[in-house]
Amino acid sequence: DVKVTQSSRYLVKRTGEKVFLECVQDMDHENMFWYRQDPGLGLRLIYFSYDVKMKEKGDIPEGYSVSREKKERFSLILESASTNQTSMYLCASSPGTGGSINEKLFFGSGTQLSVL
Amino acid sequence: ILNVEQSPQSLHVQEGDSTNFTCSFPSSNFYALHWYRWETAKSPEALFVMTLNGDEKKKGRISATLNTKEGYSYLYIKGSQPEDSATYLCASKTSYDKVIFGPGTSLSVIP
Repeated sequence: DVKVTQSSRYLVKRTGEKVFLECVQDMDHENMFWYRQDPGLGLRLIYFSYDVKMKEKGDIPEGYSVSREKKERFSLILESASTNQTSMYLCASSPGTGGSINEKLFFGSGTQLSVL
Repeated sequence: ILNVEQSPQSLHVQEGDSTNFTCSFPSSNFYALHWYRWETAKSPEALFVMTLNGDEKKKGRISATLNTKEGYSYLYIKGSQPEDSATYLCASKTSYDKVIFGPGTSLSVIP
């Protein structure tokens, strides 16, 4: 089974801190994604990556950056955390093989980030 | 941004009841419709990926249908069990790299 591992389940940070959220997948997937989940809203895409060192902005990239130096690892960076970035963050991956429309996403279990 | 809507927002049913909920999505630029189950403290897990109008998928007591012309999908759970309690997410894939999620339906099955 594919495993997507997020480094922390809960994280508490202070306003202005630089925050790193790490995600690792073990199935050689090409595509990786970062979403945030807020009550009453669907998962919203922050950034995604098709390949090492490649990144694309999602729907809400402001205040975030990403890094993909190795295929299995995709990091989300909050350059200067703010209270409105308190949220559940989910990492996901998909195979990316030939652009199959049947591809499903494989998710990590999420990181609940609180910014005080 | 295209909107994906789900109803109801939350649902409480008794064990043994059958239930269903709805996902509405824009019918233009349709690639695929995903259903995921997200149990508390676990990872969202894919239930179904459907691509063709009229598709019906089944997994145990859970089934789903798809109408791409009118832009809706139904998820059915027959004989709900407490372990079915979860948030059910649907998502519309509108291009190779774009998946838009709905807000989810939270299901609680009361023993």
